[in-house]
Amino acid sequence: QSALTQPRSVSASPGQSVTMSCTGSSSDVGGHNHVSWYQQHPGKAPKLIIYGVSQRPSGVPDHFSGSKSGDTASLTISGLQAEDEADYYCCSYAGSYTWLFGGGTKLTVL
Amino acid sequence: QVQLQESGPRLVKPSETVSLTCAVSGYSISSGYYWGWIRQPPGKGLEWIGAIHHSGNTFYNPSLKSRVSISVAPSKNLLSLTLNSVTAADTAVYYCARQAIAATGNWFDPWGQGTLVTVSS
Repeated sequence: QSALTQPRSVSASPGQSVTMSCTGSSSDVGGHNHVSWYQQHPGKAPKLIIYGVSQRPSGVPDHFSGSKSGDTASLTISGLQAEDEADYYCCSYAGSYTWLFGGGTKLTVL
Repeated sequence: QVQLQESGPRLVKPSETVSLTCAVSGYSISSGYYWGWIRQPPGKGLEWIGAIHHSGNTFYNPSLKSRVSISVAPSKNLLSLTLNSVTAADTAVYYCARQAIAATGNWFDPWGQGTLVTVSS
């Protein structure tokens, strides 16, 4: 099992939207609707922001949204704010009761 | 409010065994969910290690399965991770997290603050 593929970095200005990808295979992202996303600020633990491809947990702002097409899941952050600057990790169920994370994407708010 | 707190040795010698504990508060492990361990090498991404249910049912990352054991003590609301024959590649922040494994969703939430384990002689 290889880690899911995420771009190392993305950037955008405050108020803009940014989309980051998470690419796997038919065995994980493409084969199951169990993709979740986590936000991690420096020195902090990851925080769940999306599960089930596009569901937001209670308390997560609605400017975070998720989607999936084929073997690639995406996280979109609209109306970027300075506090959105963080690392973002995707995770997918990979079958046989195993889970894969992506390598993470560093979001810079310019 | 569910809270998790990892504890254990911060420095381990190569080839030795490291044991970590995760104390859960605000929720009884026996009430449900799985409880997972995830690690993050310095400056790198996350890696799922494994998960356990209070019934003792466990799942492991195939790449670590031969060296890992996860156990749970429901009466103490504790879960534990043991990793043997460690090498420098096992240097990482180790997190515990509540893990949902259900048709309605798979996710990790909340997470403990993590504990850094360094493997060095």
